[in-house]
Amino acid sequence: NFMLTQPHSVSESPGKTITISCTRSSGNIARNYVQWYQQRPGSSPTTLIYEDKKRPSGVPDRFSGSIDSSSNSASLTISGLKTEDEADYYCQSYDSNNHMIFGGGTKLTVL
Amino acid sequence: QVQLVQSGAEVKKPGASVKVSCKASGYTFTTYGVSWVRQAPGQGLEWLGWISAYNGNTNYAQKVQGRVTMTTDTSTSTAYMELRSLRSDDTAMYYCARAEVATTDLDYWGQGTLVTVSS
Repeated sequence: NFMLTQPHSVSESPGKTITISCTRSSGNIARNYVQWYQQRPGSSPTTLIYEDKKRPSGVPDRFSGSIDSSSNSASLTISGLKTEDEADYYCQSYDSNNHMIFGGGTKLTVL
Repeated sequence: QVQLVQSGAEVKKPGASVKVSCKASGYTFTTYGVSWVRQAPGQGLEWLGWISAYNGNTNYAQKVQGRVTMTTDTSTSTAYMELRSLRSDDTAMYYCARAEVATTDLDYWGQGTLVTVSS
């Protein structure tokens, strides 16, 4: 099995752009799709990105996903940061047994 | 609109069992599966398993294999997750979430059920 490693926390100012990384410990990051979830305090998670880079309807295009095989990582980029973007963000993928694996989560502070 | 409504909070003693329900509405229940995810206080998300509402096939996380049973009742569009031999580290918010198959994203989530294990 592999692990997905995210930074514990990130912070940036409103209006700026931030990128959250998700590094796969073994195996090619491109082998299995990566999803990103947003969880605001006291709420259930919601899908921001699925299948590496697709956005569900209703998710603003300020949110984008990508993968980079050279660093074996996925990234979530949020542009035009808003205070409402303050939340925990989780990446997620699958192993060879179709078991879902989550990253440890990244707490985003917009200050 | 798609909704997943979970049962209420539970307090259990160590060694007991808990069964959480997740009632689905707003879509054809049998065309999707349900994943169960938990979150210990202040911690990250942990996947517990997935069940097909079409044929009942299951796929459980190794960590809870042998202690967890996931079922569905298609007559009421309800999914269930039973966890046995509860320990204090099972204390968590338990979420159900819709997933077309085991490897697709979790596109709708329930509101969560807090399970507290305490003597």
